Amino acid sequence: ETGVTQSPTHLIKTRGQQVTLRCSSQSGHNTVSWYQQALGQGPQFIFQYYREEENGRGNFPPRFSGLQFPNYSSELNVNALELDDSALYLCASSLSLGRLTYNEQFFGPGTRLTVL
Amino acid sequence: AQSVTQLDSQVPVFEEAPVELRCNYSSSVSVYLFWYVQYPNQGLQLLLKYLSGSTLVKGINGFEAEFNKSQTSFHLRKPSVHISDTAEYFCAVSDTGSNYKLTFGKGTLLTVNP
Repeated sequence: ETGVTQSPTHLIKTRGQQVTLRCSSQSGHNTVSWYQQALGQGPQFIFQYYREEENGRGNFPPRFSGLQFPNYSSELNVNALELDDSALYLCASSLSLGRLTYNEQFFGPGTRLTVL
Repeated sequence: AQSVTQLDSQVPVFEEAPVELRCNYSSSVSVYLFWYVQYPNQGLQLLLKYLSGSTLVKGINGFEAEFNKSQTSFHLRKPSVHISDTAEYFCAVSDTGSNYKLTFGKGTLLTVNP
């Protein structure tokens, strides 16, 4: 069974640029969540995708967007990068069996984005 | 909305000593509670979780936590730590009604010294 993988591992961009981060879910999982972890902070929920549709969003501006593909892999896109977007971006996959059912989230190793 | 407060940003201890990492939460609805561990340059690994039932929860690597509803706390404990337990520990909550979103504390860096 393959765990959650993310690419790239590290990325350096300049302010104003756009970036795409990728996540491959654990085998059999149908839900992907994205989190931003700034240095010295806990992860913050960005959004979740379930069966290719957004299923909840945290307090992030619209320039943070995502996609989920039929194979349940996912992308996180960030437009007009700002210095404060520098962070570790974590992807977590889970198998959703129902809204009131606990679904354990399995985290990938993250992509470290540096914005200069 | 929920919030999580981890009361200690850093906890240094000696090897084989007991340790307690403190976590308090705030929520107007029922919650699930979690502890995650993050080793350097790695993602998050679930240590243990409280969903319902017994308030004393046992997890991996000898860790346990106790849910105290009246004090809105979920403190993590280990009776005897090892050097390999050195890592960042995060307490998290989610709403039982829509449990897709985890709200994390700022983390506690546990450093185990020889």
